[in-house]
Amino acid sequence: EDQVTQSPEALRLQEGESSSLNCSYTVSGLRGLFWYRQDPGKGPEFLFTLYSAGEEKEKERLKATLTKKESFLHITAPKPEDSATYLCAVRAQNTGNQFYFGTGTSLTVIP
Amino acid sequence: DVKVTQSSRYLVKRTGEKVFLECVQDMDHENMFWYRQDPGLGLRLIYFSYDVKMKEKGDIPEGYSVSREKKERFSLILESASTNQTSMYLCASRGETQYFGPGTRLLVL
Repeated sequence: EDQVTQSPEALRLQEGESSSLNCSYTVSGLRGLFWYRQDPGKGPEFLFTLYSAGEEKEKERLKATLTKKESFLHITAPKPEDSATYLCAVRAQNTGNQFYFGTGTSLTVIP
Repeated sequence: DVKVTQSSRYLVKRTGEKVFLECVQDMDHENMFWYRQDPGLGLRLIYFSYDVKMKEKGDIPEGYSVSREKKERFSLILESASTNQTSMYLCASRGETQYFGPGTRLLVL
């Protein structure tokens, strides 16, 4: 069964303390891995798409990487405004239109 | 800039009421989705549509129906609202990437 698991569930960082969030997946034929940011009470905001192992994408303090089994979202020198829930989703060859989402990592950055 | 809008940010309804949630996208996408999001359960797919008048059940379709009469609009209908349908409802539209609306927080009393 296709599955997406994110860890940790929650992460508290001091401002400036770099860390990584993990998204592991078991799907047949990855067609894309997607990272989203979600602020409380709002819809998820698209961040990155990764398609193949070895691919990397960057945006400001965020960098997403992909291997054959997992993706990491690296946060370098985070600021309080980076506090949010980060969601990972995958699209597989055998699921067509559907995306499978993890339950997210809630990140809190303390000033 | 991509845009997905939802008709209401907050709704309060009574048990048994019929509830309509509307979603509009301006990206000419064929695929649209309705999810609900609950603490600890993540995003769960209710229904999706891959074309006008076409729909498919997601993981939790019971108690819901949908309507897609025009390409840009996808409606979620709660035929008879119940308290266990209190949730955050998210609409999404997909091209290569899936984009979400701002969400509707529904409270059923």
